[in-house]
Amino acid sequence: GDSVTQMEGPVTLSEEAFLTINCTYTATGYPSLFWYVQYPGEGLQLLLKATKADDKGSNKGFEATYRKETTSFHLEKGSVQVSDSAVYFCALMSNTGKLIFGQGTTLQVKP
Amino acid sequence: DVKVTQSSRYLVKRTGEKVFLECVQDMDHENMFWYRQDPGLGLRLIYFSYDVKMKEKGDIPEGYSVSREKKERFSLILESASTNQTSMYLCASSLGGGNPYEQYFGPGTRLTVT
Repeated sequence: GDSVTQMEGPVTLSEEAFLTINCTYTATGYPSLFWYVQYPGEGLQLLLKATKADDKGSNKGFEATYRKETTSFHLEKGSVQVSDSAVYFCALMSNTGKLIFGQGTTLQVKP
Repeated sequence: DVKVTQSSRYLVKRTGEKVFLECVQDMDHENMFWYRQDPGLGLRLIYFSYDVKMKEKGDIPEGYSVSREKKERFSLILESASTNQTSMYLCASSLGGGNPYEQYFGPGTRLTVT
């Protein structure tokens, strides 16, 4: 079945460091891909999405490119801030209309 | 802004109790979902609904049921709570039709069963 695998956390970075959180997927066809973010004490929010191969989703300085050849959707940010500390979830939309989530990666940014 | 609210942020119940978790959305969304979130497992779909009085099992429905009597409200029911149902429960909603992709989440209910 469809699945999403994220790099294990926690990821700890200093402020202004470069961030990469790896995400790979297994799915039938070419699903839409998403990154959701969960700030402490809150529900999930959609951060960015890409609906077809080679699309780049971007928002709040974060980017991710839909790579069909490597079945990946890695999240990147050039310079992280303390306020980016959160849990990040990679997800795909299956052909049954359900969101399939990865296990989540905790990011902690230190001043 | 879409708002999804959940009836409680924290709940403590005893084993064997019947537990109701309520979710309300204010944007006339057709689709509603219940997930549980556990460390290392991400979010897992319990039940979902694409319309009033309609429900579909997700990936882990055992021990749960749902009710959707009105479009804006989707309730998760634990018929007889057990300690392995201690978890964070998240409700979400989305538009139906051509844009089912973006799900809007509530803040979650952290349930502890003792």
